[in-house]
Amino acid sequence: SYELTQPPSVSVAPGKTARITCELNNFGGKSVHWYQQKPGQAPLLVIYYDGDRPSGIPERFSGSNSGNTATLTISRVEAGDEAEYYCQVWDGDSDHGVFGGGTKLTVL
Amino acid sequence: QLHLQESGPGLVKPSEILTLTCTVSGASVNSLISYWAWIRQPPGKGLEWIGSVHSTGSSYYNPSLKTRVTISIHASKNQFSLNLRSVTAADTAVYYCARRSSNYVDSWGQGTLVPVSS
Repeated sequence: SYELTQPPSVSVAPGKTARITCELNNFGGKSVHWYQQKPGQAPLLVIYYDGDRPSGIPERFSGSNSGNTATLTISRVEAGDEAEYYCQVWDGDSDHGVFGGGTKLTVL
Repeated sequence: QLHLQESGPGLVKPSEILTLTCTVSGASVNSLISYWAWIRQPPGKGLEWIGSVHSTGSSYYNPSLKTRVTISIHASKNQFSLNLRSVTAADTAVYYCARRSSNYVDSWGQGTLVPVSS
C-alpha cells in the first residue's frame, strides 16, 4: 500500500529553522505538496510541486524533494507558524490524493 | 476571489446516506481546468481524500471509499455534491469541499462537522 510517513511532532525555538520530513515509501519520484492547518481552521496550501510557493506564503517557507524524502523547511520560525503540517502526493493509479499523517509543529 | 461553502445535515443516523453540497462562488464549476474535491478529517485525526469530479462529470474516488461514494456536479447551481452511503460512526468527520488544481488542493471550504449517531 502507498503511505507517506511524517514525524508526529517537531519542536523549534523562535527564530530557528524547522524541518519537517515526509517519507515517500512507494511514492518515490512523485511531486509533494504541503499544507498548514491551524486549530479549528481549514488547511492552507503552503508549498506545491515540491518547492513552489503560492501567492501570499512567506519566503520563509520552502520545500525540497530528493530520493525518498521530501522536506518542508521553515526559516526564522515565528509563533504564528505553530500548526499541523501535512504532506500530500497524487496516486495516479487510482486518481486520488494521499496525505501523510501530519506533523505537529510546536514553537517553544 | 474563490469561496467554497459546505452545507448539509447536522447529524446522520447509522446506515443512512450522508449528503453534502458545496456552493462555489468566484469561479465556475464548469471550468475545464478545475476539479472539485471532497476531503474529510475525523475529530483529532488526519486528512483523508474522498474523491473529486470534473466539469465533464468524470469522477475519481479513493479506493477505500469507492463502493459507497458518489460525487456529482450541478452546473446550473454552481454546486457539487457528495453522497456517502451506509454510514457508520467511523464516518464522523469534518468534511471539506475544495478545488483541486492539477493534483493538489489550492482552495478549501471552511468545513462542516457531520456526526453519525443514532
